[in-house]
Amino acid sequence: DIQMTQSPSSLSAFVGDRVTITCRASQSISDYLNWYQQKPGTAPKLLIYAASSLQSGVPSRFSGSGSGTDFTLTVSSLQPEDFATYYCQQSYSIPRTFGQGTKVEIK
Amino acid sequence: QVQLVQSGSELKKPGASVKVSCKASGYTFTSNTLNWVRQAPGQGLEWMGWINTNKGRPTYAQAFTGRFVFSLDTSVSTAYLQISSLKTEDTAVYYCARGSTNGWYHFDYWGQGTLVTVSS
Repeated sequence: DIQMTQSPSSLSAFVGDRVTITCRASQSISDYLNWYQQKPGTAPKLLIYAASSLQSGVPSRFSGSGSGTDFTLTVSSLQPEDFATYYCQQSYSIPRTFGQGTKVEIK
Repeated sequence: QVQLVQSGSELKKPGASVKVSCKASGYTFTSNTLNWVRQAPGQGLEWMGWINTNKGRPTYAQAFTGRFVFSLDTSVSTAYLQISSLKTEDTAVYYCARGSTNGWYHFDYWGQGTLVTVSS
């Protein structure tokens, strides 16, 4: 199975900050990397697929980059509604695996 | 618009069974795979497997073989997750999620989740 490791596990940031979350795969997954946002008590929501493609309706302050084993999710200017937990997921092979999550909190 | 609507919360005793439903609308049900994802209390997301809605063939992650069964009723565009011989550690929110068809296999739409609580 491909292991997905996110860092950091949590972070505190101010509104307006630029935030970057990293995801590393245990083997190459090409561009088969997706990012989801989950707010408490709600289902995950797709933000980015194929490493850097923005899902329709997602604000352009979210961006993704990377290929192979190392990926990043960047929020260019954190907004109050962005405080949530973020998960990466590989869709390169079965079983699909998620990172452990990164909780973004208000500083 | 695409929607996945899941059945309501369940409270079950250890050893019982539960069946969670996921009703799809707004698209052709048999055009996309349907995934199941578990989230234990305070924990992350765990992929349980998927079902090919065209052929009805399920694929299970290793941790979800034996007591977990995926099924379909295509006449009502609904997928089901049945869990038998429930254990307290099955307490979790279970999500269904649609697999994309553009070749990248991400989960583009999710159900709202069904909380299954197993307690004596």
